[in-house]
Amino acid sequence: EVHLVESGGGLVQPGRSLRLSCAASGFNFDQYVFHWVRQAPGRGLEWVSGIYQNGATDYADSVKGRFTVSRDTAKNSLSLQMDSLRAEDTALYYCIGDKAGDLEFWGQGTLVTVSS
Amino acid sequence: DVVLTQSPLSLPVTLGQPVSISCRSRQRLVHGDGRTYLNWFHQRPGQAPRRLIYRVSNRDSGVPDRFSGSGSGTDFTLKISRVEAEDVGVYYCVQATTWPYTFGQGTKLEIK
Repeated sequence: EVHLVESGGGLVQPGRSLRLSCAASGFNFDQYVFHWVRQAPGRGLEWVSGIYQNGATDYADSVKGRFTVSRDTAKNSLSLQMDSLRAEDTALYYCIGDKAGDLEFWGQGTLVTVSS
Repeated sequence: DVVLTQSPLSLPVTLGQPVSISCRSRQRLVHGDGRTYLNWFHQRPGQAPRRLIYRVSNRDSGVPDRFSGSGSGTDFTLKISRVEAEDVGVYYCVQATTWPYTFGQGTKLEIK
């Protein structure tokens, strides 16, 4: 059975850092592209970052230079290092496994709240 | 970035009624490999989005056949042939033809 389990969310002050993790199981991790997508309270879905099978990455303009995505093949895990956090980064962050542009697998999300 | 525009944004419906949700792109969503990576998701309150349709018209396993997807190029449609109570929530289209992936604004379906 496929599982994507996010962790690491919480309450953090503006300007501080937080690291999200996503543990994957039940499918061939190496074959998948992974994304982070977020959803601010009461709002729609926003793509944040993605990482290819070869480690190449891309970011939304709103987080470029502040967020860093990485993957660990040995641990079947994904991480999102979030620095210089802002109030507008407050959202539920989803980890997504994507093999062929179909956003096949989703986690349940981890909530990040940026507030003083 | 590819902009996706959904309509309507609000959809009050009667049980058993058919509905259509439109998703329009400002640019064609045909990938260089010839495929069109336009997907549809349904999100119930308090839950993660669930994929209904991938690559325009392929229904996911377990998705009732009252759901169907169609379209090509820049215009896409999600149809529900007869709305049931469990269909309430927000529907999103998302394109995965080009990075960054982009989502439509969402269409909120509610029962009158």
